[in-house]
Amino acid sequence: DIQMTQSPSSLSASLGDRVTITCRSSQTIRTYLNWYQQRPGKAPNLLIYSASTLQSGVPSRFSGSGSGTEFTLTITSLQPEDFATYFCQQGYSTPRTFGQGTKVEIK
Amino acid sequence: QLQLQESGSGLVKSSQTLSLTCAVSGGSVNSGGFSWHWIRQPPGQGLEWIGYISQSGITYYNPSLRSRLSMSLDMSKNHFSVNLTSVTAADTAVYYCARSADTRVFDPWGQGSLVIVSS
Repeated sequence: DIQMTQSPSSLSASLGDRVTITCRSSQTIRTYLNWYQQRPGKAPNLLIYSASTLQSGVPSRFSGSGSGTEFTLTITSLQPEDFATYFCQQGYSTPRTFGQGTKVEIK
Repeated sequence: QLQLQESGSGLVKSSQTLSLTCAVSGGSVNSGGFSWHWIRQPPGQGLEWIGYISQSGITYYNPSLRSRLSMSLDMSKNHFSVNLTSVTAADTAVYYCARSADTRVFDPWGQGSLVIVSS
C-alpha cells in the first residue's frame, strides 16, 4: 500500500493568514493526489483533484501543487469557515489511501 | 444534484455482520462510468477506503478487509450496500458512501453513518 504522510498534524493560524499543508507519498503517484476538507461532524468535501485542479464551487483561495511524491495545499487569507481538518488521498493505485489529516485551528 | 444517504445497523454485536445501504437521489446507480465506494473513519481517526462496486457489478475490496466484505448494487431501488462479517471493536467507525467518476476521486459523499460494535 502507498503510505501518505501529512505535515504538520495540526497548526494554529489567524484569520487572514496563509497556510501551507504538505503531503508526501511513499512512492510516486504522479499527480493522482486529491485534497478534502472535513468540518467537525461532517463528511469530507472534495477541494482539489489531480494535485492542482480546483473542484467547482471551491473558493480560489485554495490551491494545490506538486507531483511525484510531494504535494502542497495552500490556503491564502484564512477565513472562519476554513478551520477544519484537511486530508490528502492518492488515486494512483489500489487500495486508495489517505493521509492522517491536518487540523487547522484558530490561534 | 446527486445526494447519498447511508442507513443501516447502528449497533452491531461483536462477531456479527454489519450491513449498510447507501440510497442515491438526484442520479442513478446505473449511470455508466461511475463507481460507488465505501470509506470509514474510526472516531477521532483518519479515513480508510473500504472498496467499491461499479455500475456493471465489478467490485474491488481493500485487501485488509477482503475476506469479510461483500458489496452489492440494486438498480431497482437505486442503492448500493455493504456487508462486513465477523466484526470486532476495531470496525467501530463512521461509514461513508461516495461516488467516483474514475475510481480515483470521491465526490460527493454521504453524511455518514456511525456503527458501534459492542461486545
